[in-house]
Amino acid sequence: ETGVTQTPRHLVMGMTNKKSLKCEQHLGHNAMYWYKQSAKKPLELMFVYSLEERVENNSVPSRFSPECPNSSHLFLHLHTLQPEDSALYLCASSQELNSGNTIYFGEGSWLTVV
Amino acid sequence: QKEVEQDPGPLSVPEGAIVSLNCTYSNSAFQYFMWYRQYSRKGPELLMYTYSSGNKEDGRFTAQVDKSSKYISLFIRDSQPSDSATYLCAMSYTGANSKLTFGKGITLSVRP
Repeated sequence: ETGVTQTPRHLVMGMTNKKSLKCEQHLGHNAMYWYKQSAKKPLELMFVYSLEERVENNSVPSRFSPECPNSSHLFLHLHTLQPEDSALYLCASSQELNSGNTIYFGEGSWLTVV
Repeated sequence: QKEVEQDPGPLSVPEGAIVSLNCTYSNSAFQYFMWYRQYSRKGPELLMYTYSSGNKEDGRFTAQVDKSSKYISLFIRDSQPSDSATYLCAMSYTGANSKLTFGKGITLSVRP
């Protein structure tokens, strides 16, 4: 069991649906992240939060909307996705948002858009 | 040139073999180097962490960093079928808000 829990583990949604991915970290960390992992590509950093404040948004389409209500929880709201958005979405956390801090990943949420 | 290049693989070796996994990078500012292991349908887990140049050993695993060549390696001795996974290198530089840059990952299969 990791200190970062993601739900659901698997999600199939249609292009017109609205769904949310949830992440909770039990490590007392101050920084949280959303990554996208697609086949044959490096991990893509999507969003970064530090102390509940968004500090980075890497040109992610607006159909992905993050929310960080507190330092332990992170959501990714999904709306009108495309089939190419099918991927493994990984939540991660680190003690602080600065160099050298190890990040810890959750198990991921497998998303399939049909 | 990509910031971090990793051999694409896949790699298949017999049980007991010594495995060498490598990454090269272009940004000389990188100071922190990590290897993550990712089992099928799981999230990546931290395997090794090194700062600057040198070697670090942990059981059957050795991480090596050569900053002059911008080259890092992960060696696995006496490889086991349980080592079959995808291995990702990652690195970051000193500075506020520095974030990890990952390689694409290489899938290793250890045959019994």
